Parts: sequence; C-alpha cells; structure tokens
Amino acid sequence: ETGVTQTPRHLVMGMTNKKSLKCEQHLGHNAMYWYKQSAKKPLELMFVYNFKEQTENNSVPSRFSPECPNSSHLFLHLHTLQPEDSALYLCASSQDQKRVSSYNEQFFGPGTRLTVL
Amino acid sequence: GENVEQHPSTLSVQEGDSAVIKCTYSDSASNYFPWYKQELGKRPQLIIDIRSNVGEKKDQRIAVTLNKTAKHFSLHITETQPEDSAVYFCAASKYGNEKLTFGTGTRLTIIP
Repeated sequence: ETGVTQTPRHLVMGMTNKKSLKCEQHLGHNAMYWYKQSAKKPLELMFVYNFKEQTENNSVPSRFSPECPNSSHLFLHLHTLQPEDSALYLCASSQDQKRVSSYNEQFFGPGTRLTVL
Repeated sequence: GENVEQHPSTLSVQEGDSAVIKCTYSDSASNYFPWYKQELGKRPQLIIDIRSNVGEKKDQRIAVTLNKTAKHFSLHITETQPEDSAVYFCAASKYGNEKLTFGTGTRLTIIP
C-alpha cells in the first residue's frame, strides 16, 4: 500500500441516490486531489485542495461536491448522478501543491469504481 | 490551458525489444514532465520524471528525453519484459502548481 486509501472500492448507485467517496492519506501530505478516469480518456483532474483550501475546481458539475475537513481526509459527495458519471474515481496526495521551486510526486489511491444505473 | 497529446494509444512489442512512447504539450511554461505506469486493476504510479533544465534522464531500463523547443518528450523502455505490460501516462505541469495535465495513455503489451 502506498499510504493513500479509498473507500469503498466499488459502488453501484441509482441516479436518485446520495453517496460519498472517502480518501485518506497517511503520508503527511498537504495537498489532495480528485481525478476521474473513464475508458479511453485521460485522467481528468476534478478538484484540488491545498492545506484544506480548495484551489482548483475543473468545471465539475455541482452534483459532485468535495469536502476536505483536514489535510488527511478528502470526501466526494455524490447526488443525482448520471450514467455517464460511471468511472474510476482516483484520489491522490502530494506534499504541497504550490511549493515553489519544487516538484512533488503525486501518490494515488486504488480508486473507487463507480457505476451509476 | 495545457493540452497534452500522447501516441501511440496501443503498442505491442516483442519481449527484449525497445518501446518508445511520445508526448507533446502546448504550454511553453510547463517545466515538469512525469510518467506514470498503471498496471491492470491497480493505481497509477510514478516511474520517472524530468525537469525542463534537463534533456535526458535514465533509470535502469527506462529513459525520458525532453525537447523544449519542439515541446515534446518521450519515454524509452529497453530490454522490455512481460512486467512492463501496462498503461503508461505522460503528464505536464509547472513550478509551484501541481495541476497535472495527463495524456490519453498508451497501452503497452509485451509479447513473450
């Protein structure tokens, strides 16, 4: 394990359901990320949090709502999703998003495979 | 914003031969270029990266080259082995901003 965990690993939900994805990192990092990975598409950045502050919202629909209560935990709240939202949702963390003159490796979690019926 | 293109989308190589994956980027301000490997059913993991002040970097059988003028960078894998089979993603970002823009991925298959 790389120190980034995600739960659940698999999730099937209907379009009217409300569910949440959880990510936790044990690496002492300060930046956390949500990515969406669909078939035949690049990894799409959704949200970035740096020191608990949201610094990036990549034009994500409001049916996806992130929450970062502290630097170790990141949630993605889901409601009224569409079938096209079915994908692998990956969480990642790095030392510090905006650490000048430094490049920080992003460590990925195992992902949550989401299916929207 | 940054746009990263990656080719080919699939690549089959005989075991022992070399594999090359190429990426181009659009933002001349990008200066960090990591490569991630994602095995089937597993998470992406960083395998090598290169900064813009370096033209080439090697790590055992893996090497990455960068041409800033042409805005392209490549991953080279020599003496390929079955465990090299995976999807490889290139990415680009800038100093002080960890927003990685990923390529579409290359599915590499090593034929025994």
